[in-house]
Amino acid sequence: AQKITQTQPGMFVQEKEAVTLDCTYDTSDQSYGLFWYKQPSSGEMIFLIYQGSYDEQNATEGRYSLNFQKARKSANLVISASQLGDSAMYFCAMRERFRDDKIIFGKGTRLHILP
Amino acid sequence: DTGVSQDPRHKITKRGQNVTFRCDPISEHNRLYWYRQTLGQGPEFLTYFQNEAQLEKSRLLSDRFSAERPKGSFSTLEIQRTEQGDSAMYLCASSLFLANDIQETQYFGPGTRLLVL
Repeated sequence: AQKITQTQPGMFVQEKEAVTLDCTYDTSDQSYGLFWYKQPSSGEMIFLIYQGSYDEQNATEGRYSLNFQKARKSANLVISASQLGDSAMYFCAMRERFRDDKIIFGKGTRLHILP
Repeated sequence: DTGVSQDPRHKITKRGQNVTFRCDPISEHNRLYWYRQTLGQGPEFLTYFQNEAQLEKSRLLSDRFSAERPKGSFSTLEIQRTEQGDSAMYLCASSLFLANDIQETQYFGPGTRLLVL
């Protein structure tokens, strides 16, 4: 079974609108961390936001927020007021604390912001 | 620039040749990771170091792949006798590992795109 599932291969959104990128995860650990990365066409993976499994508040970083629903095992990324520069691949990722130290990535969602 | 750097950014080689990639992590980071990313996929873990010790290697890492981090700073990833299936983006990431800190954010370099002809 896939550990990280991103069901939207591609999305088109009008500039200035908010967008939600879906991510569900699978783990039996109680302690884990969830990450979102952005990958522009240049290839570099840019860290956006982090949510710990014990964090009670949803994480926010500027225009990025994470809609964390622990019981549903979902960690959706919300980008408010989208900009043309937000066009990129977005990856959801997880670290399971007591299994190993690597990050497991989903297959990503390609986001296109339309002018 | 104090981020993670990788060299070269692009490499084209013929099948059967050896290639070596270099990664320079963020200076205060003690962990260094190598990932491979093929088209349409997320990065897949290959191996990682804590200081100079290689702590884990993925089953993806065949005997033709070797990685080193001799002084606990920069790292090299060598692929011997390259095959066309090795064509991919090779990403390096570094992090500051602190015990019991699950966040341990990994910061990635720009990657090395390898094309094996």
